[in-house]
Amino acid sequence: EAGVTQSPTHLIKTRGQQATLRCSPISGHTSVYWYQQALGLGLQFLLWYDEGEERNRGNFPPRFSGRQFPNYSSELNVNALELEDSALYLCASSLDRGREQFFGPGTRLTVL
Amino acid sequence: GEDVEQSLFLSVREGDSSVINCTYTDSSSTYLYWYKQEPGAGLQLLTYIFSNMDMKQDQRLTVLLNKKDKHLSLRIADTQTGDSAIYFCAERVNTGFQKLVFGTGTRLLVSP
Repeated sequence: EAGVTQSPTHLIKTRGQQATLRCSPISGHTSVYWYQQALGLGLQFLLWYDEGEERNRGNFPPRFSGRQFPNYSSELNVNALELEDSALYLCASSLDRGREQFFGPGTRLTVL
Repeated sequence: GEDVEQSLFLSVREGDSSVINCTYTDSSSTYLYWYKQEPGAGLQLLTYIFSNMDMKQDQRLTVLLNKKDKHLSLRIADTQTGDSAIYFCAERVNTGFQKLVFGTGTRLLVSP
């Protein structure tokens, strides 16, 4: 069974640009979660999507947004990039709001 | 409140047991998790425990939960060099929101 996949692996942007990160959940999983792992800040919850709807968001500004498609894959968009947005962005999926969240390998975003 | 704390570093010799500790503050936590992160990789779910359990064993891994003291530990028996990684504990707070709150991570170094 294929795990959670994320693309791209690495992304380099300049300040003020927009970044789009993609995530494909494990087949059959309907919930997708996004987390940010920034140096010195640890892992922080960003967004939770389930059945195409945003169900919960963490303490992040509105320029962090996303969506979930009918096939349950998801996109995270970060607008007006700032230097401190540089981080590893991890996507996880779970079966029907289940107790186990399985993580992908992450997208490393570097903002110059 | 939501706060999860771990010690930063643990060094053991190959073949010894490792014990990684974690304390959390949210008494409404329903599940507590242990994840492993190897360099440059995402998070691997190792094991989890429901909050009404005291102990869970899974091959070389033993999880102990002291709910009164809000203390969680992960014991790895017969630690191998391949166990060298960062270990995160996490709590799932308030089942309606599905987010995981992670600790700061403990870097485990296993020497031959």
